[in-house]
Amino acid sequence: GQNIDQPTEMTATEGAIVQINCTYQTSGFNGLFWYQQHAGEAPTFLSYNVLDGLEEKGRFSSFLSRSKGYSYLLLKELQMKDSASYLCAVRDSTSGTYKYIFGTGTRLKVLA
Amino acid sequence: EAGVTQFPSHSVIEKGQTVTLRCDPISGHDNLYWYRRVMGKEIKFLLHFVKESKQDESGMPNNRFLAERTGGTYSTLKVQPAELEDSGVYFCASSQVLGQAGYTFGSGTRLTVV
Repeated sequence: GQNIDQPTEMTATEGAIVQINCTYQTSGFNGLFWYQQHAGEAPTFLSYNVLDGLEEKGRFSSFLSRSKGYSYLLLKELQMKDSASYLCAVRDSTSGTYKYIFGTGTRLKVLA
Repeated sequence: EAGVTQFPSHSVIEKGQTVTLRCDPISGHDNLYWYRRVMGKEIKFLLHFVKESKQDESGMPNNRFLAERTGGTYSTLKVQPAELEDSGVYFCASSQVLGQAGYTFGSGTRLTVV
């Protein structure tokens, strides 16, 4: 079956570093994606990994281990505006559709 | 460029009524996806259009749901008749290239069936 797990909620302090973990078991794999979603808004693409390793993009980094079915999103120098839900998604290309399989999302609260 | 636009942003209808959701993708994006999030659950794939053709509709819940994309531009998703369990947020996403990094999502339509 298809399964993606990530913590439901996390809290961190402004200026700190937070790591959001995601584990997955899917039948097809065409990349691991992270999206940010503020309440009532569209999910916004943050980063993706197709190969193992770390991808860095400013304050955000994402890591992937395909053998372990594991990814994390690292947010540095947290700002209040980073309070949002973070969605982990595996892209499945088995049907030629390249559709996303999402986790339930991690709601991050950044405190002053 | 304009983003993905969805209309309406909110809809409240009674059980048994019909509702039509609309998605305008980014101009030139051949790939259009519909997803749905019911309360407390993850966002789930409904279907995928390439231009006006349905590439994959394996996620459509049942035959009360009908999606169209005439002319390969905007798409509509009709629910007829609506049931209580259809309540949720319906998202549309588009991409220019199949398999490109990151799709552009709309803000969604929040559907409440009472």
